[in-house]
Amino acid sequence: VVMTQSPLSLSLTLGQPASISCRSNQSLLSSDGNTYLHWFQQRPGQSPRRLIDKVSNRDSRVPDRFSGSGSGTDFTLRISRVEADDVGVYYCMQETHWPPYTFGQGTKLEIK
Amino acid sequence: EVYLVESGGGLVQPGGSLRLSCAASRFMFSDYRLSWVRQAPGKGLEWVGCINKDASEIDYVDSVKGRFTIFRDNAKSLLYLQMNNLRVEDTAVYYCVAWDYWGQGTLVAVSS
Repeated sequence: VVMTQSPLSLSLTLGQPASISCRSNQSLLSSDGNTYLHWFQQRPGQSPRRLIDKVSNRDSRVPDRFSGSGSGTDFTLRISRVEADDVGVYYCMQETHWPPYTFGQGTKLEIK
Repeated sequence: EVYLVESGGGLVQPGGSLRLSCAASRFMFSDYRLSWVRQAPGKGLEWVGCINKDASEIDYVDSVKGRFTIFRDNAKSLLYLQMNNLRVEDTAVYYCVAWDYWGQGTLVAVSS
């Protein structure tokens, strides 16, 4: 399964909303009814961490500024108001059709 | 807080071998399917392989099949990645991952 993110880079001012798209070339709806599409954040110099589990479930300690949505082959990560702490690279990843698990190319978010 | 600590990385010549280890603490190690994920310098994330809770299912990305082996010791909360016949393109930071938890990574550099 190929995961395609857009845009590949975002340059925003503090307080602006952000939207990152992730598309798959096959539906990610599993036979068990779940959609195994996750979002990860990698801050500069740090390991990745999961933000969103199964399309829209925020992990613990993830601010509610982050939200995920979508279905089938089309998914979106939104940040309602970008903060300085949000700088980094964001990856979507599918777990429905594994092996292999596949990641998107990453979207780099920077602050103007 | 959960800790996943990788070790064993280093510089190796093409064709050489390395064994990476991942030590887990404050973590129900034996309850988790675990993966290795790598990140080449300046590049995105690539899933390398995974092992289920009791090591009865192990899967790999095609590019490492036959060269890499994942195994685990649940009694010691240790995960391993045995890498043989290393290639220049295996150069990356290797992360031990439980999807909601990531290690800090260990760098493997393959170069003559």
